[in-house]
Amino acid sequence: GENVEQHPSTLSVQEGDSAVIKCTYSDSASNYFPWYKQELGKRPQLIIDIRSNVGEKKDQRIAVTLNKTAKHFSLHITETQPEDSAVYFCAKLDSLTDSWGKLQFGAGTQVVVTP
Amino acid sequence: DAGVIQSPRHEVTEMGQEVTLRCKPISGHNSLFWYRQTMMRGLELLIYFNNNVPIDDSGMPEDRFSAKMPNASFSTLKIQPSEPRDSAVYFCASSASGWTEAFFGQGTRLTVV
Repeated sequence: GENVEQHPSTLSVQEGDSAVIKCTYSDSASNYFPWYKQELGKRPQLIIDIRSNVGEKKDQRIAVTLNKTAKHFSLHITETQPEDSAVYFCAKLDSLTDSWGKLQFGAGTQVVVTP
Repeated sequence: DAGVIQSPRHEVTEMGQEVTLRCKPISGHNSLFWYRQTMMRGLELLIYFNNNVPIDDSGMPEDRFSAKMPNASFSTLKIQPSEPRDSAVYFCASSASGWTEAFFGQGTRLTVV
């Protein structure tokens, strides 16, 4: 499978500002792109996902955009709050084994929201 | 459903000992994944099963690692013999299909001294 590159590795934002995390991939056949949030000492949990038939999806303060032509997708968090502090992982479904659900994860972004 | 259940939550063992980690996936899910998480290497996929059959174990670091899924509701990851570099958090996850959410267990924090 192909790797997923995630940037930045750390992100510090002031409460109320926006945070943006970007991921790129090289496999043009990928069709499913989830984002996971992992709080300190906890398990990764899905916060939003997007499929290749749409370019953007929003859920309250969280949005994800997908550009299949450029092969990149981004997570946007608006009006950040201290509880948004966590590690965020982008992922994509491995296109060769998509029916089995094998995900390829980015390296993660440590987001710190300072009051 | 109680979600993906892993045991034990914490394991401290001496180098050379056998370690067995256990996982109960969500009922009805047909894919099960074992991940290892460390600061240096992030989330690594070790092995995954579909309908109890191992599909890809290319992520298993060495022959010291083995995994089984004897039935749809139980899987084990075994390390024998364990080494200090195996210290990590091991997560089990399950999903219903390829395009749905993968649910993670709470993880097992393994420390090998």
